[in-house]
Amino acid sequence: QVQLVESGGGVVQPGRSLRLSCAASGFTFSSYGMHWVRQAPGKGLEWVAVISYDGSNKHYADSVKGRFTISRDNSKNTLYLQMNSLRVEDTAVHYCAKDLVAAGRGYFDYWGQGTLVTVSS
Amino acid sequence: DIQMTQSPSSLSASVGDRVTITCRASQGIRNDLGWYQQKPGKAPKRLIYAASSLQSGVPSRFSGSGSGTEFTLTISSLQPEDFATYYCLQHNSYPFTFGPGTKVDIK
Repeated sequence: QVQLVESGGGVVQPGRSLRLSCAASGFTFSSYGMHWVRQAPGKGLEWVAVISYDGSNKHYADSVKGRFTISRDNSKNTLYLQMNSLRVEDTAVHYCAKDLVAAGRGYFDYWGQGTLVTVSS
Repeated sequence: DIQMTQSPSSLSASVGDRVTITCRASQGIRNDLGWYQQKPGKAPKRLIYAASSLQSGVPSRFSGSGSGTEFTLTISSLQPEDFATYYCLQHNSYPFTFGPGTKVDIK
């Protein structure tokens, strides 16, 4: 069955960097777009970024553009989110989500359980 | 960017009630809209895709309708397991945007 397992969350100071990983199994990872979605404590969902099946196309939310980079390693069935210049407002549970479509058009069908990133001095 | 609004932001209802949640887009998004259910501490679960298509395995008491800028999610007869927060998501154009959510709790 499809499994998405996020890791790499933790407590980090403002301005520092963190890299999240999402290990995928149970499907042909290299055939599907993948997303990161986050949720600040007690708040709603915020779409963060998408990457197409082959990594050739990427799009970002305005709030993270220029600071975050989404990438993937299809040989390792792993999705990444490199987060630089972190801000207090980046504090959130970060979920990875699988798309039903190779290009990553927003048809989420499976989600991980999330990893918490806390940005605090 | 496309802005999404939802109404109401919260509602109290009883088991067996019919519940309707509305989602509006700031510009036309065709039918590029999904509805998601989230329970506390859990990842979201997709209920509806393409505005009105029921996700496999989701009970038929859930239905979606709409196109363009106005969409609705209807629960025909609320069950105890339906108390949760519901979000719409537009995926017509980047950046994708979620609505702010509607919390459904027990009256």
